[in-house]
Amino acid sequence: DIVMTQSPDSLAVSLGERATINCKSSQSVLYSSNNKNYLAWFQQKPGQPPKLLIYWASTRESGVPDRFSGSGSGTDFTLTISSLQTEDVAVYYCQQYYSTPFTFGPGTKVDIK
Amino acid sequence: QLQLQESGPGLVKPSETLSLTCTVSGGSISNYYWGWIRQPPGKGLEWIGNIYYTGSTYYNPSLKSRVTISVDTSKNQFSLKLSSVTAADTAVYYCACAAKSDLGLFDYWGQGTLVTVSS
Repeated sequence: DIVMTQSPDSLAVSLGERATINCKSSQSVLYSSNNKNYLAWFQQKPGQPPKLLIYWASTRESGVPDRFSGSGSGTDFTLTISSLQTEDVAVYYCQQYYSTPFTFGPGTKVDIK
Repeated sequence: QLQLQESGPGLVKPSETLSLTCTVSGGSISNYYWGWIRQPPGKGLEWIGNIYYTGSTYYNPSLKSRVTISVDTSKNQFSLKLSSVTAADTAVYYCACAAKSDLGLFDYWGQGTLVTVSS
């Protein structure tokens, strides 16, 4: 199984400031035949299902604000919220869909400082 | 716009079988991959398995011996059965769709249903 880890476990950022979440996979999720990283980012608010934000490591899902961006390749990835808003308070998960069993990171809780 | 809705008992006794159904609206189940993911209270997400409308299934090896996922195209539904449940199976169960046609990329989710395993 591909093990996903995230850091930090939680972070508190001032409104309008940048939030950065890191995700690492135990093996590469880059598929060489199409040069795509099979890595997604989800946002989950209390009592709600996860919401897809980013896929292919850096492609923003339709309707997701452009303050959310994803980067990285191979085994190391980053989700950046460029200017934190109140509505961004949530837990963020990375997930690999490179191979089964699909696995999620443990989550990073983002709050307002 | 696809919509998914989970249904089934919220309480299951230990050693019995958990059964849930996901009803799909706003589109046909005869496309895409469909999956189940669960989340124990206060914890992270665990993929249970997927099914394609043809009936092809993919299961998490950690649960494979206890899981069956099936599809009913006539009802636009797919279902989950998890046998021999214990308290460790208490979780919110989500059904989801991989509408971008990549097996594990879930872009539509149901609201989730809490299933508690207790006598």
